[in-house]
Amino acid sequence: EVQLVESGGGLVQPGGSLRLSCAASGFTFRSYWMHWVRQVPGKGLVWVARIKTDGSHTAYADSVKGRFTISRDNAKNTVYLQMNSLRAEDTAIYYCSVYDFGLGSWHGWGQGTLVTVSS
Amino acid sequence: DVVLTQTPLSSPVTLGQPASISCRSSQSLVHSDGNTYLSWLHQRPGQPLRLLIYKISNRFSGVPDRFSGSGAGTDFTLKISRVEAEDVGIYYCMQALQLPYTFGQGTKLEIK
Repeated sequence: EVQLVESGGGLVQPGGSLRLSCAASGFTFRSYWMHWVRQVPGKGLVWVARIKTDGSHTAYADSVKGRFTISRDNAKNTVYLQMNSLRAEDTAIYYCSVYDFGLGSWHGWGQGTLVTVSS
Repeated sequence: DVVLTQTPLSSPVTLGQPASISCRSSQSLVHSDGNTYLSWLHQRPGQPLRLLIYKISNRFSGVPDRFSGSGAGTDFTLKISRVEAEDVGIYYCMQALQLPYTFGQGTKLEIK
């Protein structure tokens, strides 16, 4: 069974940084692209970033490009999201998810970690 | 960006009755490989998101057969044949045809 556990969220001031982690188990982590998606509490879902199996390709939403960096460590079955120059509008629950090209969709999600950007 | 518009945004349903959610895309979701990358997700309070349907009409592993998906091109529908209490929550359509991947606004299913 796919298990994804996010951590690293918290309260940070505008302009600050945070690094989120997502520990994966229950599947062959190195074989899957991983994504981050965020959700303002009570609002809809917004895709943030993705990373290829070996880390050689990444892509970002325009709203975070140049400020966020997605990375992974296949030896640790973990994907990361380094968030710099944080803004109030980055406040959200951040979910990691595993993308299955065979399904053309995400087949596993974490519980999420809350990031609050406020002074 | 592909815009997905869901209707209704709220759906009060009686237990045992059917429910239907529509998702309309601002452009065709048919890929050059012939697949249509439209999925449906379910978010229950306090639970992780869950994949229900992928590529329009394929039920994901473990999803009850009361859930079905249909549609083509730009218009898609999720149907629940007989709503059960565990079906409450928010349903999202999403597209994985092109970046940025996008989601519908969500439809809240409630029991009357």
